[in-house]
Amino acid sequence: SQQGEEDPQALSIQEGENATMNCSYKTSINNLQWYRQNSGRGLVHLILIRSNEREKHSGRLRVTLDTSKKSSSLLITASRAADTASYFCATDGRGNTPLVFGKGTRLSVIA
Amino acid sequence: NAGVTQTPKFQVLKTGQSMTLQCAQDMNHEYMSWYRQDPGMGLRLIHYSVGAGITDQGEVPNGYNVSRSTTEDFPLRLLSAAPSQTSVYFCASRPRVAETQYFGPGTRLLVL
Repeated sequence: SQQGEEDPQALSIQEGENATMNCSYKTSINNLQWYRQNSGRGLVHLILIRSNEREKHSGRLRVTLDTSKKSSSLLITASRAADTASYFCATDGRGNTPLVFGKGTRLSVIA
Repeated sequence: NAGVTQTPKFQVLKTGQSMTLQCAQDMNHEYMSWYRQDPGMGLRLIHYSVGAGITDQGEVPNGYNVSRSTTEDFPLRLLSAAPSQTSVYFCASRPRVAETQYFGPGTRLLVL
């Protein structure tokens, strides 16, 4: 079964606003990753945060991880129309387990 | 590097037909996976491989077979296509567990 669950399922904001997406998961993880998917395309890796990290930045992206609450958030600052896409969290469990994806958040940024 | 490549891009099958979806990577990655994506369902893992000669089942393996005879190739076989297998299929690879995963462009499959 799917490990990560994103919230909200869909989000619509104006260009220039910040977008926040949340991910909750169920079991212990090695790391948590965020991916982006433009319509009809393959997924592209955005950022990876390890279980011993609490916050990570990459450009306009900020990811937090709270292992006690089994949750993560992805913040996109100063959003652009080009950020319109679906965003997925994925969890890496312990051992040799595969990456498991949530159902995603559909972000629409309106110019 | 070409990265992860998938062929074909589109395919229409009739119920009961069999076919193989091809996946190849040129990054010498040990770990490869197949996912299917259906509307509102996210990505669900079909099969994965942690190295040549080793494969394992994911969440939705029924109706699919895989093999991993080389590090580069990880084909997905549909044994007897059913309409429920209409989906977009993604192949992915990564150097090893707990690392970033790279995705192919996907194969759109329609089973009539």
